[in-house]
Amino acid sequence: ETGVTQSPTHLIKTRGQQVTLRCSSQSGHNTVSWYQQALGQGPQFIFQYYREEENGRGNFPPRFSGLQFPNYSSELNVNALELDDSALYLCASSLAGTGGSSTQYFGPGTRLTVL
Amino acid sequence: AQSVTQLGSHVSVSEGALVLLRCNYSSSVPPYLFWYVQYPNQGLQLLLKYTTGATLVKGINGFEAEFKKSETSFHLTKPSAHMSDAAEYFCAVSGYYGGSQGNLIFGKGTKLSVKP
Repeated sequence: ETGVTQSPTHLIKTRGQQVTLRCSSQSGHNTVSWYQQALGQGPQFIFQYYREEENGRGNFPPRFSGLQFPNYSSELNVNALELDDSALYLCASSLAGTGGSSTQYFGPGTRLTVL
Repeated sequence: AQSVTQLGSHVSVSEGALVLLRCNYSSSVPPYLFWYVQYPNQGLQLLLKYTTGATLVKGINGFEAEFKKSETSFHLTKPSAHMSDAAEYFCAVSGYYGGSQGNLIFGKGTKLSVKP
């Protein structure tokens, strides 16, 4: 069974640039959620994708956007990067259909630094 | 709205001592509760979860947690700490989005240190 993978591991960008982060979900999972974890904080929910559509969104501006592909992999795009976007971005996959009790399995994260 | 409060950002115990990490939640509906562990520079690993049924939940690595509705608590315990338990621990409650599973709402985390 292949776990959740994310790429790249680390990324350095400058303010105003755009970035794309990628996530491959665990085999058999059809739902992907993205979280932002600032230094010293707990992860914060960005959004969730199910059947290639956004299925819930946290308190993040529209410059955070995403995609889910037919193979259930996903991308997180951030436009007009700001210094506060520096964080660890975590992707989690799960199997929908069991309500909020489904376990989310996390990838190792992408560390984004905005200079 | 749902929320999680973890009491104590940093807990230090001696090897072999009891580990107790505190978590209180707020939820207007019956909650689903989770504990995750994060080792340095890694993602989150599920320790255990409570959905329904038995209120004492056993997880991996000897950890367990008890759901107490009257106290809105879900504290994590381990009878005897090992050096390898040193990590950051996050309590989370599951949100609800109609028809599909919800997002996780995390506490700010508790960093556990284990002294030899």
